[in-house]
Amino acid sequence: DAGVIQSPRHEVTEMGQEVTLRCKPISGHNSLFWYRQTMMRGLELLIYFNNNVPIDDSGMPEDRFSAKMPNASFSTLKIQPSEPRDSAVYFCASTRGNIQYFGAGTRLSVL
Amino acid sequence: DAKTTQPPSMDCAEGRAANLPCNHSTISGNEYVYWYRQIHSQGPQYIIHGLKNNETNEMASLIITEDRKSSTLILPHATLRDTAVYYCIVRANTNAGKSTFGDGTTLTVKP
Repeated sequence: DAGVIQSPRHEVTEMGQEVTLRCKPISGHNSLFWYRQTMMRGLELLIYFNNNVPIDDSGMPEDRFSAKMPNASFSTLKIQPSEPRDSAVYFCASTRGNIQYFGAGTRLSVL
Repeated sequence: DAKTTQPPSMDCAEGRAANLPCNHSTISGNEYVYWYRQIHSQGPQYIIHGLKNNETNEMASLIITEDRKSSTLILPHATLRDTAVYYCIVRANTNAGKSTFGDGTTLTVKP
Protein backbone atom coordinates (compact mmCIF):
# COMPACT_ATOMS: atom_id res chain seq x y z
CA ASP A 1 0.00 0.00 0.00
CA ALA A 2 1.34 3.44 -0.95
CA GLY A 3 -0.01 5.07 2.16
CA VAL A 4 -1.77 8.42 2.28
CA ILE A 5 -0.78 10.47 -0.75
CA GLN A 6 -0.76 14.25 -0.68
CA SER A 7 -0.10 16.66 -3.50
CA PRO A 8 1.59 18.91 -4.13
CA ARG A 9 4.46 18.43 -1.66
CA HIS A 10 5.35 22.08 -1.88
CA GLU A 11 3.28 25.06 -2.97
CA VAL A 12 4.39 28.64 -3.24
CA THR A 13 1.77 31.20 -4.12
CA GLU A 14 1.04 34.88 -3.81
CA MET A 15 -1.41 36.44 -1.43
CA GLY A 16 -4.92 36.47 -2.83
CA GLN A 17 -4.49 33.39 -4.99
CA GLU A 18 -6.58 30.25 -4.65
CA VAL A 19 -4.76 27.19 -3.32
CA THR A 20 -5.99 23.60 -3.57
CA LEU A 21 -4.39 20.80 -1.60
CA ARG A 22 -5.18 17.20 -2.47
CA CYS A 23 -5.27 13.96 -0.54
CA LYS A 24 -5.78 10.33 -1.46
CA PRO A 25 -6.46 8.23 1.64
CA ILE A 26 -5.49 4.61 2.08
CA SER A 27 -7.96 2.31 0.34
CA GLY A 28 -10.55 0.93 2.73
CA HIS A 29 -10.10 3.66 5.33
CA ASN A 30 -13.40 5.38 6.00
CA SER A 31 -12.30 8.48 7.90
CA LEU A 32 -10.15 11.34 6.68
CA PHE A 33 -8.62 14.22 8.60
CA TRP A 34 -7.00 17.52 7.61
CA TYR A 35 -4.45 19.04 10.03
CA ARG A 36 -2.34 22.19 9.87
CA GLN A 37 1.04 22.51 11.58
CA THR A 38 2.91 25.71 12.43
CA MET A 39 5.67 26.45 14.89
CA MET A 40 3.41 28.76 16.87
CA ARG A 41 0.29 26.60 17.09
CA GLY A 42 1.56 23.07 16.65
CA LEU A 43 -0.59 20.44 14.96
CA GLU A 44 -4.22 21.56 14.71
CA LEU A 45 -7.18 19.56 13.45
CA LEU A 46 -9.07 21.50 10.80
CA ILE A 47 -11.82 19.10 9.72
CA TYR A 48 -12.60 15.42 9.50
CA PHE A 49 -14.87 13.26 7.38
CA ASN A 50 -16.46 9.92 8.09
CA ASN A 51 -17.72 7.97 5.08
CA ASN A 52 -17.19 11.08 2.94
CA VAL A 53 -19.43 13.22 5.18
CA PRO A 54 -17.93 16.17 7.10
CA ILE A 55 -18.37 15.47 10.81
CA ASP A 56 -16.48 18.21 12.59
CA ASP A 57 -15.24 21.39 10.90
CA SER A 58 -14.88 23.45 14.06
CA GLY A 59 -11.16 23.78 13.45
CA MET A 60 -11.53 25.46 10.07
CA PRO A 61 -10.16 28.91 10.73
CA GLU A 62 -12.56 30.96 8.62
CA ASP A 63 -14.70 31.02 5.51
CA ARG A 64 -11.66 31.23 3.29
CA PHE A 65 -11.07 27.55 4.02
CA SER A 66 -13.23 24.80 2.56
CA ALA A 67 -12.84 21.04 2.30
CA LYS A 68 -14.61 18.43 0.22
CA MET A 69 -14.58 14.68 -0.08
CA PRO A 70 -16.48 13.79 -3.26
CA ASN A 71 -15.68 10.08 -2.94
CA ALA A 72 -13.87 7.62 -0.71
CA SER A 73 -10.56 8.02 -2.50
CA PHE A 74 -10.12 11.77 -2.78
CA SER A 75 -10.34 14.94 -0.71
CA THR A 76 -9.41 18.56 -1.25
CA LEU A 77 -8.67 21.47 1.05
CA LYS A 78 -9.09 24.83 -0.63
CA ILE A 79 -8.01 28.25 0.55
CA GLN A 80 -9.48 31.21 -1.29
CA PRO A 81 -8.13 33.84 -1.08
CA SER A 82 -4.85 32.80 0.51
CA GLU A 83 -3.01 35.00 3.02
CA PRO A 84 0.58 34.93 4.34
CA ARG A 85 -0.66 33.67 7.73
CA ASP A 86 -1.89 30.51 5.99
CA SER A 87 1.72 29.46 5.46
CA ALA A 88 2.10 26.10 7.18
CA VAL A 89 2.45 22.38 6.58
CA TYR A 90 -0.90 20.76 5.89
CA PHE A 91 -1.30 17.07 6.69
CA CYS A 92 -3.95 14.64 5.64
CA ALA A 93 -4.57 11.44 7.60
CA SER A 94 -6.87 8.49 7.15
CA THR A 95 -7.99 6.06 9.80
CA ARG A 96 -8.31 2.33 10.10
CA GLY A 97 -10.08 1.56 13.34
CA ASN A 98 -8.74 4.25 15.62
CA ILE A 99 -5.21 4.50 14.27
CA GLN A 100 -4.37 7.47 12.07
CA TYR A 101 -2.02 7.19 9.12
CA PHE A 102 -0.57 10.47 7.95
CA GLY A 103 0.62 11.64 4.58
CA ALA A 104 3.92 13.40 4.02
CA GLY A 105 2.25 16.81 4.07
CA THR A 106 2.08 19.84 1.80
CA ARG A 107 4.32 22.76 2.70
CA LEU A 108 2.46 25.93 1.73
CA SER A 109 4.15 29.29 1.48
CA VAL A 110 1.99 32.33 0.77
CA LEU A 111 4.04 35.37 -0.16
CA ASP B 1 -9.69 13.99 25.32
CA ALA B 2 -7.91 14.02 28.66
CA LYS B 3 -5.08 16.52 29.13
CA THR B 4 -1.56 15.13 28.98
CA THR B 5 1.73 16.51 30.29
CA GLN B 6 5.07 15.60 28.76
CA PRO B 7 8.58 16.99 29.31
CA PRO B 8 9.48 19.29 26.43
CA SER B 9 12.78 17.57 25.67
CA MET B 10 14.95 14.58 26.53
CA ASP B 11 18.29 13.19 25.45
CA CYS B 12 19.28 9.57 25.13
CA ALA B 13 22.51 7.83 24.21
CA GLU B 14 22.46 5.66 21.11
CA GLY B 15 21.91 2.03 21.98
CA ARG B 16 20.41 2.79 25.36
CA ALA B 17 16.75 2.60 26.30
CA ALA B 18 14.74 5.77 25.92
CA ASN B 19 11.98 6.18 28.52
CA LEU B 20 9.47 8.87 27.69
CA PRO B 21 6.98 9.76 30.44
CA CYS B 22 3.45 11.09 30.11
CA ASN B 23 1.10 12.24 32.85
CA HIS B 24 -2.65 11.98 32.31
CA SER B 25 -4.17 12.26 35.77
CA THR B 26 -7.70 13.06 34.48
CA ILE B 27 -7.96 10.01 32.23
CA SER B 28 -11.40 8.42 32.07
CA GLY B 29 -12.14 4.72 32.24
CA ASN B 30 -12.88 4.42 28.53
CA GLU B 31 -9.87 6.42 27.34
CA TYR B 32 -6.82 4.85 25.74
CA VAL B 33 -3.23 6.06 25.74
CA TYR B 34 -1.84 6.51 22.22
CA TRP B 35 1.71 7.38 21.20
CA TYR B 36 2.74 8.88 17.89
CA ARG B 37 6.04 10.33 16.77
CA GLN B 38 7.00 12.87 14.16
CA ILE B 39 10.40 12.75 12.58
CA HIS B 40 11.51 16.08 11.15
CA SER B 41 9.63 17.08 7.98
CA GLN B 42 7.47 13.96 8.01
CA GLY B 43 3.90 13.26 9.03
CA PRO B 44 3.20 11.79 12.47
CA GLN B 45 3.57 8.02 12.75
CA TYR B 46 1.60 5.72 15.02
CA ILE B 47 3.71 3.80 17.55
CA ILE B 48 1.55 1.98 20.06
CA HIS B 49 -1.55 2.27 22.23
CA GLY B 50 -3.06 0.66 25.32
CA LEU B 51 -5.93 0.81 27.77
CA LYS B 52 -4.57 -0.54 31.05
CA ASN B 53 -2.32 -3.46 30.31
CA ASN B 54 1.27 -3.07 29.25
CA GLU B 55 1.74 -3.40 25.51
CA THR B 56 4.69 -4.26 23.30
CA ASN B 57 5.18 -4.26 19.56
CA GLU B 58 8.10 -4.19 17.18
CA MET B 59 8.68 -0.50 17.76
CA ALA B 60 8.25 0.05 21.47
CA SER B 61 6.75 -0.92 24.81
CA LEU B 62 4.06 0.97 26.68
CA ILE B 63 3.89 0.79 30.45
CA ILE B 64 0.71 2.15 32.07
CA THR B 65 0.57 2.56 35.84
CA GLU B 66 -2.07 0.67 37.76
CA ASP B 67 -4.05 3.84 38.48
CA ARG B 68 -3.67 4.78 34.79
CA LYS B 69 -2.65 8.32 35.67
CA SER B 70 0.67 8.07 33.92
CA SER B 71 2.48 6.00 31.33
CA THR B 72 5.94 5.49 29.87
CA LEU B 73 6.91 4.78 26.29
CA ILE B 74 10.06 2.71 26.08
CA LEU B 75 12.29 2.48 23.03
CA PRO B 76 14.53 -0.42 24.09
CA HIS B 77 17.58 0.35 21.96
CA ALA B 78 17.40 3.90 20.67
CA THR B 79 19.06 4.73 17.36
CA LEU B 80 19.81 8.08 15.75
CA ARG B 81 16.75 7.56 13.56
CA ASP B 82 14.56 7.64 16.66
CA THR B 83 15.26 11.35 17.07
CA ALA B 84 11.79 12.87 16.79
CA VAL B 85 8.94 14.58 18.61
CA TYR B 86 6.91 12.04 20.58
CA TYR B 87 3.24 12.74 21.28
CA CYS B 88 1.22 11.14 24.04
CA ILE B 89 -2.54 11.33 23.35
CA VAL B 90 -5.32 10.17 25.61
CA ARG B 91 -8.71 9.62 24.02
CA ALA B 92 -11.67 7.31 23.79
CA ASN B 93 -12.03 5.06 20.77
CA THR B 94 -14.74 7.21 19.26
CA ASN B 95 -14.83 9.91 16.60
CA ALA B 96 -12.95 7.71 14.16
CA GLY B 97 -9.58 8.28 15.73
CA LYS B 98 -9.77 12.06 16.02
CA SER B 99 -6.72 13.12 18.02
CA THR B 100 -5.60 16.28 19.77
CA PHE B 101 -1.84 16.70 19.54
CA GLY B 102 -0.06 18.67 22.26
CA ASP B 103 3.53 19.88 22.19
CA GLY B 104 5.07 16.45 22.76
CA THR B 105 8.59 15.56 23.85
CA THR B 106 11.52 16.19 21.56
CA LEU B 107 13.79 13.17 21.94
CA THR B 108 17.35 13.61 20.75
CA VAL B 109 19.40 10.44 20.42
CA LYS B 110 23.09 11.19 20.60
CA PRO B 111 25.97 9.06 19.34
